[in-house]
Amino acid sequence: QQQVKQSPQSLIVQKGGISIINCAYENTAFDYFPWYQQFPGKGPALLIAIRPDVSEKKEGRFTISFNKSAKQFSLHIMDSQPGDSATYFCAASLSYGQNFVFGPGTRLSVLP
Amino acid sequence: DTAVSQTPKYLVTQMGNDKSIKCEQNLGHDTMYWYKQDSKKFLKIMFSYNNKELIINETVPNRFSPKSPDKAHLNLHINSLELGDSAVYFCASSQGGTAYGYTFGSGTRLTVV
Repeated sequence: QQQVKQSPQSLIVQKGGISIINCAYENTAFDYFPWYQQFPGKGPALLIAIRPDVSEKKEGRFTISFNKSAKQFSLHIMDSQPGDSATYFCAASLSYGQNFVFGPGTRLSVLP
Repeated sequence: DTAVSQTPKYLVTQMGNDKSIKCEQNLGHDTMYWYKQDSKKFLKIMFSYNNKELIINETVPNRFSPKSPDKAHLNLHINSLELGDSAVYFCASSQGGTAYGYTFGSGTRLTVV
């Protein structure tokens, strides 16, 4: 019930392409879904987040799509750049929960 | 700079030793966390403190003991270190639990030899 699944484990995209990372959760009580970006040697940093009252949220080149009935959400990176190469984690929690449940991460490599 | 800062960044030690990792946040957050990131990058919560009070204590060996002297500091002390403790340990902070996300520190890479 607490698990968050994430795929793919790794992703290679050409510069300018679209990167898509998918996550699925089990606990229907979860209502806050952030994505974190982690560069080597750094801590994860909040990238974008969504609450289930909307089906999509866009910030620049990053978009979260949310499907409440399927209990799935995804991160789309448009016009992917080499600087986007990092590990991406999806997460889920209650809005005022005590902690996040993180997915296992996706290592994205954007080729120049 | 407003941030979550951890020290040391790297820690190499022998099995059986005792070591501490320190964490400080100047964001005015009321909740602090310790997460462990294993070699496969999986992030797992260890402890959470809210205003110096322990609120999450996951299944972690009792060799690990967190201490929060005030709400801006959360330290992690590890006794009798084992090879399996090798990992990256992240401190994080937040205001009001998960409502607005976490701010993570840059991590402490612990290597037990």
